Amino acid sequence: KAGVTQTPRYLIKTRGQQVTLSCSPISGHRSVSWYQQTPGQGLQFLFEYFSETQRNKGNFPGRFSGRQFSNSRSEMNVSTLELGDSALYLCASSPLGNREQYFGPGTRLTVT
Amino acid sequence: GDSVTQMEGPVTLSEEAFLTINCTYTATGYPSLFWYVQYPGEGLQLLLKATKADDKGSNKGFEATYRKETTSFHLEKGSVQVSDSAVYFCALYTSGTYKYIFGTGTRLKVLA
Repeated sequence: KAGVTQTPRYLIKTRGQQVTLSCSPISGHRSVSWYQQTPGQGLQFLFEYFSETQRNKGNFPGRFSGRQFSNSRSEMNVSTLELGDSALYLCASSPLGNREQYFGPGTRLTVT
Repeated sequence: GDSVTQMEGPVTLSEEAFLTINCTYTATGYPSLFWYVQYPGEGLQLLLKATKADDKGSNKGFEATYRKETTSFHLEKGSVQVSDSAVYFCALYTSGTYKYIFGTGTRLKVLA
């Protein structure tokens, strides 16, 4: 099976812009989670989607949003980018009933 | 709330040395426990897991035992290699919350 894929791998945006990141989970996985990883804050949970519904949400401002499609692919959007949004954004998928998470390689977002 | 605490790094060892990375947790339910590893430029990979007390997870020479009495899940390896250099994350998952809690990560550097 193909692994979790994330696009794009690298992105440079300007402060104030918005960005959309995409994640394709492993075939058959219905849960997709998003994380932000920075050197200072470590790995922080953004949100989790299961069967197109947001099942859980971390402590991030409303500028961060996501959605999941019927094929389980997920997107996250960040509006009005700030310099502090520069980070590695990781997506992880899980099969139903299994607690293991399978991570993609991440999208490196740089905000200038 | 639930939390994971792991030892701060970096940890620097010589090749073939014994490795221990401490991890303790706080959880209201009965969590599943995991160790993930992140190699440079990559996403996280599941290293091992344990789903109930006294379970021992093992993989690639790494081991960790789920100790409910001490709320710990320490990672050990008898003889590290240069290729083990990476960041190691301890994590827990509690049914009902659908949320993973990750530790801050411990960077391991193994010198030849």
